[in-house]
Amino acid sequence: GQQLNQSPQSMFIQEGEDVSMNCTSSSIFNTWLWYKQDPGEGPVLLIALYKAGELTSNGRLTAQFGITRKDSFLNISASIPSDVGIYFCAGRLGTGTASKLTFGTGTRLQVTL
Amino acid sequence: DGGITQSPKYLFRKEGQNVTLSCEQNLNHDAMYWYRQDPGQGLRLIYYSQIVNDFQKGDIAEGYSVSREKKESFPLTVTSAQKNPTAFYLCASSIDPLEYSTDTQYFGPGTRLTVL
Repeated sequence: GQQLNQSPQSMFIQEGEDVSMNCTSSSIFNTWLWYKQDPGEGPVLLIALYKAGELTSNGRLTAQFGITRKDSFLNISASIPSDVGIYFCAGRLGTGTASKLTFGTGTRLQVTL
Repeated sequence: DGGITQSPKYLFRKEGQNVTLSCEQNLNHDAMYWYRQDPGQGLRLIYYSQIVNDFQKGDIAEGYSVSREKKESFPLTVTSAQKNPTAFYLCASSIDPLEYSTDTQYFGPGTRLTVL
């Protein structure tokens, strides 16, 4: 199965810095989702995007659905230590009835004080 | 509280044994999914079910089996045919897969299976 290209793979930042990560695909998606996973836990949904060009915020997090429908990015402003974790993007191929998601390989974020 | 539960959190089995992982949801969601996660990788879809008594293979179904006898439950059996079963297994559910424009998946806490 296809996996999305997510970058960077990992990043170390200092507390208070802004973070940006993105996800690209060779296929068009109708939905983009961003999840955060803590070690040993299931992913938690952060932001869902349903329209090309859509820009959505959730607290310090902002995500955008690319105009081409083949990419999305997630920004975290003023990072704090609890932002540590792995961030996954996921896209839904918008044909048919199955709600199947394709996941990115993840961006591991580490925040230093 | 509504949510998805998976049990057990950690599971150890000997090679050659079948093992069943539990997934229960009380969200009244129609669709349920099983994913496998290996270290440093994303999630790969094993099986999914859009409605009771129906399920479809995902991208890596070989060596696995599922059942969907009740809306709330979607157990996954890892059979002895699965060549590399040690992994973190995640169950998810979504409200209505036919409404794909707004449907999102919510995950359980996962089961870490180790085959010795």
